[in-house]
Amino acid sequence: DAGVTQSPTHLIKTRGQHVTLRCSPISGHKSVSWYQQVLGQGPQFIFQYYEKEERGRGNFPDRFSARQFPNYSSELNVNALLLGDSALYLCASRATGGKSYNEQFFGPGTRLTVL
Amino acid sequence: SQKIEQNSEALNIQEGKTATLTCNYTNYSPAYLQWYRQDPGRGPVFLLLIRENEKEKRKERLKVTFDTTLKQSLFHITASQPADSATYLCALNAGGTSYGKLTFGQGTILTVHP
Repeated sequence: DAGVTQSPTHLIKTRGQHVTLRCSPISGHKSVSWYQQVLGQGPQFIFQYYEKEERGRGNFPDRFSARQFPNYSSELNVNALLLGDSALYLCASRATGGKSYNEQFFGPGTRLTVL
Repeated sequence: SQKIEQNSEALNIQEGKTATLTCNYTNYSPAYLQWYRQDPGRGPVFLLLIRENEKEKRKERLKVTFDTTLKQSLFHITASQPADSATYLCALNAGGTSYGKLTFGQGTILTVHP
């Protein structure tokens, strides 16, 4: 079975631009969460989506938005990029039933560099 | 505010020894606690989960303890190997509707020397 996939792998943008990051969860997983990981720190929660609805939001500005599609894939959008948005963006999917429903499975991440 | 601290930024041990990593938290009532392994440039990989009503969990060479009175978890790797070298992350979850939200510590970089 394929794990969580994310695209693109790497991205370089300039300040003020907009970026869209994409995530495909593990087949059968309906919950997707997004995290930002700055170098040397642990991941920080941005959004959680379940059944296409936002179920949680971390302490991030309105420049960050996300959505989940009927096939449970998800997009994270960031507007008006700042230098401080440079980070590894991680997507995680989670089963919502069964024995391992508390475990989150992370994708490889998208490395965003803002110049 | 909620705070999670992993007491060591870096831990160096000799192969064959037991590595012990610490996770402390404040202003939090987690339903469960998880440990993840992260290699450079990769996403975290789930290792173990322990619930608030459990004291200890084991999986092969890994052991986790959870003390909700001390607000502390210990993560042990016995008979450590150079392949265990990685960053280890502690994460808490409040449960309920926030199952998809994990709050992470900053990580401990473990290096196992041959």
